[in-house]
Amino acid sequence: ILNVEQSPQSLHVQEGDSTNFTCSFPSSNFYALHWYRWETAKSPEALFVMTLNGDEKKKGRISATLNTKEGYSYLYIKGSQPEDSATYLCAPSGAGNMLTFGGGTRLMVKP
Amino acid sequence: DTEVTQTPKHLVMGMTNKKSLKCEQHMGHRAMYWYKQKAKKPPELMFVYSYEKLSINESVPSRFSPECPNSSLLNLHLHALQPEDSALYLCASSQGHGQVHGYTFGSGTRLTVV
Repeated sequence: ILNVEQSPQSLHVQEGDSTNFTCSFPSSNFYALHWYRWETAKSPEALFVMTLNGDEKKKGRISATLNTKEGYSYLYIKGSQPEDSATYLCAPSGAGNMLTFGGGTRLMVKP
Repeated sequence: DTEVTQTPKHLVMGMTNKKSLKCEQHMGHRAMYWYKQKAKKPPELMFVYSYEKLSINESVPSRFSPECPNSSLLNLHLHALQPEDSALYLCASSQGHGQVHGYTFGSGTRLTVV
């Protein structure tokens, strides 16, 4: 069983603030790192899948980096908007593409 | 169609009932998954189907019985559940098991066992 940790557990920011979260995972037997955004009462939405050490991916105001050697990934949100309010989940996968989820970071953006 | 559809969205059942959860996708994905999420906990893997065959069973009690009738449909049959089985049950699919692909999730079935 992988030990996947996300921090912080929750975060309250003002509209326009930039923010970042951390996902740490065991670096052994690593294949990929997945990030999902999960809004209440909706489906988890895939944000990024990263595989290579040093990978950086960007989608609009959201970006992510990956360090497979030390076992961590950062997710950044630039200029947070109320619609960014959601739980952000990371999940490393090993052989077989099975995801093990971290506990998530719950982001609340105040207008 | 880029969605995974789960029905019903909500289900309340007694401990002696038999019910089924349904999951459907028409994206041609060959791997399908059942996850269980308890309140304030991360989703936990229950079952993996690859090319309509059960490939992973994460030591799930036999009162949960998965079925994959065809490549687009995944069912979870429930029988003699306990109140502690109350949770959100999420279905997901990906292009293939054993390859690095993102998952597409359904919105889940909120199950309450009384």
